Amino acid sequence: RKEVEQDPGPFNVPEGATVAFNCTYSNSASQSFFWYRQDCRKEPKLLMSVYSSGNEDGRFTAQLNRASQYISLLIRDSKLSDSATYLCVVKETNAGKSTFGDGTTLTVKP
Amino acid sequence: EPEVTQTPSHQVTQMGQEVILRCVPISNHLYFYWYRQILGQKVEFLVSFYNNEISEKSEIFDDQFSVERPDGSNFTLKIRSTKLEDSAMYFCASSDLGLAGLYNEQFFGPGTRLTVL
Repeated sequence: RKEVEQDPGPFNVPEGATVAFNCTYSNSASQSFFWYRQDCRKEPKLLMSVYSSGNEDGRFTAQLNRASQYISLLIRDSKLSDSATYLCVVKETNAGKSTFGDGTTLTVKP
Repeated sequence: EPEVTQTPSHQVTQMGQEVILRCVPISNHLYFYWYRQILGQKVEFLVSFYNNEISEKSEIFDDQFSVERPDGSNFTLKIRSTKLEDSAMYFCASSDLGLAGLYNEQFFGPGTRLTVL
């Protein structure tokens, strides 16, 4: 089983659509959770941290379910500029490794 | 806005040669990391560095790899004898202490594309 598993994708949606990405992780000792986005051949850029209470940043909402070891990202009112690969990232400790999922690619079409 | 920088942006080398990839982390950050991404594959952790020593390393980070923070600003990754399979994008990242010792968000540099011929 992969340490971090994401929806395989790709997702192709029209502008304005709502899209949800799912992620599961296998290590119950994981402490910190993040969503990053990666544009083609660029570095990962932090989108948002994912807290136990869930959190929202504009059109983006992230949820964490520790019992199910599940993380989600919801994007509302998709824009063309949201087209990217979305990476689920899980960390055990501050000083240790981050484990990345394979990523889910989103293409938003006019 | 402060950012992580990396040099060179692209390095071409012959198999068996040594390469040093350089990074300047964000100045007040305390944790430093190297990752690699082979073309078309996922981002993989190599090593983390804190308080002038390696905190954790992956199976990929074997004896051919080493890291150093030679001064207060640079963080380097050395590959002693490169192999064809070392061809990848290498990302440096840094982070601060985070919230209550957790959630230290990592900021990535633009990467160095290493091509081993």
